[in-house]
Amino acid sequence: TQLLEQSPQFLSIQEGENLTVYCNSSSVFSSLQWYRQEPGEGPVLLVTVVTGGEVKKLKRLTFQFGDARKDSSLHITAAQPGDTGLYLCAGDAGGYNKLIFGAGTRLAVHP
Amino acid sequence: DTAVSQTPKYLVTQMGNDKSIKCEQNLGHDTMYWYKQDSKKFLKIMFSYNNKELIINETVPNRFSPKSPDKAHLNLHINSLELGDSAVYFCASSRDRRTDTQYFGPGTRLTVL
Repeated sequence: TQLLEQSPQFLSIQEGENLTVYCNSSSVFSSLQWYRQEPGEGPVLLVTVVTGGEVKKLKRLTFQFGDARKDSSLHITAAQPGDTGLYLCAGDAGGYNKLIFGAGTRLAVHP
Repeated sequence: DTAVSQTPKYLVTQMGNDKSIKCEQNLGHDTMYWYKQDSKKFLKIMFSYNNKELIINETVPNRFSPKSPDKAHLNLHINSLELGDSAVYFCASSRDRRTDTQYFGPGTRLTVL
């Protein structure tokens, strides 16, 4: 069974701080995705990483896919209250868009 | 226009009842999904349909039956509801069965009393 473990589970920081969220697995994934979910809404895709070692940037968010395609990280620079939410990583388990989700990291950024 | 919509938003019902959740997407996508998110926010895939054909059927009690009348709609019918069925159910769609990006609906919060 393919599993994705996210850490930390909870993160409470002050505005302006930097943070990194991790997504780890013992399995290889053809791609990994990061989603953000706000209360009362569905997850929204932030990025998809496909190639081992790939780095993608989305404004203050930097996503990295591990060389072996087993892990990924999300780094946020100068966090803002608007970054508050649940961050989920998801891996394509079989190439048919069957996504396996991690348990999520709940981020709270305080003004 | 809402891309993926679900009705109802909230559903409160008694144990043993039968209920349905409806999902519609106006994106012209071929593939639709049902996910269950439990109280710990763990999101798990239940079913996937591609052009009205079932392609993913995870280990889900057979009290849950998806139905796709056309490729824009995927409904979820649940028989004999149990307390453990309480969760938020999300519908999603993607352009096709191989495309990464899934677009999620706003969710249906089901509470079984």
